[in-house]
Amino acid sequence: DAGVIQSPRHEVTEMGQEVTLRCKPISGHDYLFWYRQTMMRGLELLIYFNNNVPIDDSGMPEDRFSAKMPNASFSTLKIQPSEPRDSAVYFCASHSTGELFFGEGSRLTVL
Amino acid sequence: QKEVEQDPGPLSVPEGAIVSLNCTYSNSAFQYFMWYRQYSRKGPELLMYTYSSGNKEDGRFTAQVDKSSKYISLFIRDSQPSDSATYLCAGGTGANNLFFGTGTRLTVIP
Repeated sequence: DAGVIQSPRHEVTEMGQEVTLRCKPISGHDYLFWYRQTMMRGLELLIYFNNNVPIDDSGMPEDRFSAKMPNASFSTLKIQPSEPRDSAVYFCASHSTGELFFGEGSRLTVL
Repeated sequence: QKEVEQDPGPLSVPEGAIVSLNCTYSNSAFQYFMWYRQYSRKGPELLMYTYSSGNKEDGRFTAQVDKSSKYISLFIRDSQPSDSATYLCAGGTGANNLFFGTGTRLTVIP
């Protein structure tokens, strides 16, 4: 299997612009997670889905963030409008039996 | 207070040294404890997984959990330059409820 696939790997945008990050989980995994990683706060859970249904979005920082999972093989994390404090690495992860498999991350820089 | 606290380091050791990485956690309900290794510009990958208290050994790596003191440790024996990475500890009540430390950056010098 190719593993968890994320795109884009790098994104540089200006404050106020919309950002969409994409994730393809490992086939057969029924849980999908979005994490954000910063030096100061480490890896923080934003939201997770089970069988395409959002289960816990309590980690989503504010209404500017939204996530969708229209089918079992695709999820998006959208930030609109983006702000400089959103600069971080965003990871997608999936599992079916408890071991989390992470993608390589999307490094977002908001100027 | 963060759910899981970890000394960020950085930690630099000579090749062959024994490395000790440590974390503390605050929630006594945590039963699952994990160590992830993250190479630069890559995603974390699971290294060790422990349920409840006790030790678990896998080759040169030993994970230890002391629930009485809420302490999580990872020991690396005969450290190698390829072990140079950031190590993330995590604790939680399950894979869907994991809290990560901020990571300790380790460099093993040849």
